[in-house]
Amino acid sequence: EDQVTQSPEALRLQEGESSSLNCSYTVSGLRGLFWYRQDPGKGPEFLFTLYSAGEEKEKERLKATLTKKESFLHITAPKPEDSATYLCAVRRVQGGSEKLVFGKGTKLTVNP
Amino acid sequence: DSGVTQTPKHLITATGQRVTLRCSPRSGDLSVYWYQQSLDQGLQFLIQYYNGEERAKGNILERFSAQQFPDLHSELNLSSLELGDSALYFCASSVGPGGSLSNQPQHFGDGTRLSIL
Repeated sequence: EDQVTQSPEALRLQEGESSSLNCSYTVSGLRGLFWYRQDPGKGPEFLFTLYSAGEEKEKERLKATLTKKESFLHITAPKPEDSATYLCAVRRVQGGSEKLVFGKGTKLTVNP
Repeated sequence: DSGVTQTPKHLITATGQRVTLRCSPRSGDLSVYWYQQSLDQGLQFLIQYYNGEERAKGNILERFSAQQFPDLHSELNLSSLELGDSALYFCASSVGPGGSLSNQPQHFGDGTRLSIL
């Protein structure tokens, strides 16, 4: 069964305090791992796609990395506006269609 | 703004009733996906349509159905509603049909919050 597990469930940081969020997965037919950011009352906002182990993507203070079993979202010198829930999803391809399997997310709070 | 539009934003109804949620995909996107998000389950894939045809099914109940119209907007119909159906319902869209040829991410709307009283 496809599984995506994110840890920690919640993380509180002080502004400028760097950290990492983890996403571990077990899925057959993986065709990409996605990171989304979700603000309260909003839909998930696409951040990154990673396809192969060793791949890295960066955007402002965020960097996503991928291994064969997990992905990390590194947050460098976070600011209060980085506070959000970060969702990880894996794309499972089967018979020409796809579905995203999501983890339950990490709720990040950055205090000023 | 993702370009995906969902209406209504909020819906309050009673058990046993039927509701229709509407989604307009981003311009140029042919696939529409429906997801349910509850506090304990996270985002769960329900169903996908591509260019008017059902493409993939997830954990969608028999009381729920969807369709995609020629103008590519989609509707999710929920009937015989139960208290447990209270959740956020998200629509996402992407360019292609999905599958190994697709490198495009799904883009999400801001959801419809359904409350069953």
